[in-house]
Amino acid sequence: GEDVEQSLFLSVREGDSSVINCTYTDSSSTYLYWYKQEPGAGLQLLTYIFSNMDMKQDQRLTVLLNKKDKHLSLRIADTQTGDSAIYFCAESSPYSGGGADGLTFGKGTHLIIQP
Amino acid sequence: DTGVSQDPRHKITKRGQNVTFRCDPISEHNRLYWYRQTLGQGPEFLTYFQNEAQLEKSRLLSDRFSAERPKGSFSTLEIQRTEQGDSAMYLCASSLQGGDEQFFGPGTRLTVL
Repeated sequence: GEDVEQSLFLSVREGDSSVINCTYTDSSSTYLYWYKQEPGAGLQLLTYIFSNMDMKQDQRLTVLLNKKDKHLSLRIADTQTGDSAIYFCAESSPYSGGGADGLTFGKGTHLIIQP
Repeated sequence: DTGVSQDPRHKITKRGQNVTFRCDPISEHNRLYWYRQTLGQGPEFLTYFQNEAQLEKSRLLSDRFSAERPKGSFSTLEIQRTEQGDSAMYLCASSLQGGDEQFFGPGTRLTVL
């Protein structure tokens, strides 16, 4: 079945760049997403990329997609304490989660900011 | 606020009881999704609706679970004869048909004692 893998923790210093990585297995993925979840809060869509793109930039966020290696990354420039959260990678394809557009999520990466 | 809303935010129940959750999607969104998230995991897809039609159900959705969206607007998720393993956060999301983005509600946290 489809699988999305992420490392569980990433620790960075405030002001540095954070790079969160994700790998997926479904080659038919159409869209790949990054969601942010803060404690006690719902999922916030940060950004997403269509599978025929290899890069997308949105202010401090840069998404890189290597479709050949099925590797997705999220770079957060100038990481701030407010960026501390769990970041989920997700994919959408006709076959994910049994739904036409049901998303398949990774387990999430906890981003820890050191002062 | 015109985002996705869910009610209740928290529910504590005893094993064997039935519970029902409600989701109100963003008003112009005709697709509505239910997910379940357990501690330390990402959300897992349960089912989705396009308007009032339930188009897909995950194998995670056992016979004790039923979801409805009778008028194509709000949706309810009912769990009958709850078990301790049903304890989780139940998330609702909505999107436009053909849209790229799913917007999530704050979730209903269920605790089964």
